Amino acid sequence: SQTIHQWPATLVQPVGSPLSLECTVEGTSNPNLYWYRQAAGRGLQLLFYSVGIGQISSEVPQNLSASRPQDRQFILSSKKLLLSDSGFYLCAWSVQGWQPQHFGDGTRLSIL
Amino acid sequence: AQKITQTQPGMFVQEKEAVTLDCTYDTSDPSYGLFWYKQPSSGEMIFLIYQGSYDQQNATEGRYSLNFQKARKSANLVISASQLGDSAMYFCAMRGYNNNDMRFGAGTRLTVKP
Repeated sequence: SQTIHQWPATLVQPVGSPLSLECTVEGTSNPNLYWYRQAAGRGLQLLFYSVGIGQISSEVPQNLSASRPQDRQFILSSKKLLLSDSGFYLCAWSVQGWQPQHFGDGTRLSIL
Repeated sequence: AQKITQTQPGMFVQEKEAVTLDCTYDTSDPSYGLFWYKQPSSGEMIFLIYQGSYDQQNATEGRYSLNFQKARKSANLVISASQLGDSAMYFCAMRGYNNNDMRFGAGTRLTVKP
C-alpha cells in the first residue's frame, strides 16, 4: 500500500533562517506531488505541485520554492523565512485523473 | 477558474442525528471530481468520499453520503448517525479532470454534542 512521510512534525525557526521540509511517498510510481499551507482556522492554500521529476508549478508568488529531485521526493525550501511563513504545511500525493489526494501528517512551522 | 464555497463556518449536531454540510462550486471544466476531507484537531487530512461529475448516482461510503446536484452545482456531505469522533473540520474540494491541482473550500467546523 502507498504511504506518505512528511517531516519534521513541528519546527520553530527564527526570521531570516533557511527552511527545508521533506516529503516522500512509498508504494507508487510517478505520483503527482503537492505542497499546501494552512493558516490557523483556515482552508488549504496550494503552493506548488509537480507531475514529474524536475517539474514544478507554482501557484502563489512568495519566498518559498519547491524541488523534486527524485520521483517520490518533494522538498519545500526557503532561503530566508518571513513571519508570514508561519503555518501548517501539508504534503500530498495523487495519481492522474480522478483519484483523491492523500496527505501527510503535516508540519507545524512557527517563525519567531 | 475553479471555486469552492462552504458557507457554514460552524455546525452543531446532536449525537446519533444526521447532519448536512453544504458545498457549492463553480468551474468551467466539463469533467471534474468533488471530494470531502475530514481534518481532526491533530491536523491530518482524511479522505472521506468522492463524486465524479458524470456519476449517475450519489456516492456513499458507510455513514457518509454525497448529495450531488449538478444543475445547482452543489455537493453537500451528509453524515448519518453522528458520533462524537465526527467532531472536526470538514473540507470540500474540487479537481478538474485536466487539472493537476485541487481547490479547497474554507471548511466547516462540526461539533457533535453528547
